[in-house]
Amino acid sequence: AQKITQTQPGMFVQEKEAVTLDCTYDTSDPSYGLFWYKQPSSGEMIFLIYQGSYDQQNATEGRYSLNFQKARKSANLVISASQLGDSAMYFCAMRPTGNTGNQFYFGTGTSLTVIP
Amino acid sequence: NAGVTQTPKFQVLKTGQSMTLQCAQDMNHEYMSWYRQDPGMGLRLIHYSVGAGITDQGEVPNGYNVSRSTTEDFPLRLLSAAPSQTSVYFCASSHGDGRIKNEQFFGPGTRLTVL
Repeated sequence: AQKITQTQPGMFVQEKEAVTLDCTYDTSDPSYGLFWYKQPSSGEMIFLIYQGSYDQQNATEGRYSLNFQKARKSANLVISASQLGDSAMYFCAMRPTGNTGNQFYFGTGTSLTVIP
Repeated sequence: NAGVTQTPKFQVLKTGQSMTLQCAQDMNHEYMSWYRQDPGMGLRLIHYSVGAGITDQGEVPNGYNVSRSTTEDFPLRLLSAAPSQTSVYFCASSHGDGRIKNEQFFGPGTRLTVL
């Protein structure tokens, strides 16, 4: 079974501080992709960062980095130097390649609030 | 490119009415999908398609139909709306060439209320 778990319904962080959003996953597929999306209050889904299961290095995109621990099946998102505009819902998603539908599986999300 | 477009943005239906949510993409993506988003439940897959003429059910397909007659369009039909279908609906698309790096591009969403 494919499953994504985000155990933090809500998080608070002080502006300019770093924050880690947790994500664990479960899959029996040897090859998969892990994604993080941001959903601001306006509602759109914004792709942030990708990590492949065979990638040797952790992915980074600007202030976003992904702490990928394959043995623990975790893919935590780290946001450095938080900004007020980072306040949003954040979703972790997985795309295993073992199924024909290229389906994405999403977690329930973490609501991040950046405090000035 | 317009990306993924969805219409309407808002809709109110009465129980038992039917309607179609429209979704179109201009990126020549093979893979398209419909999700519903409910508070505390993340995004749940309703139906998906890996190409024109091919559709399949996702996690929560009951009460919804889809078709994919062209690569660009993937409409979602509510056959007989129920209050439980009140939700925000997202259409998404991505390349379906098997590369796991292909991220999904999302439409702006449709907020549906069923009274």
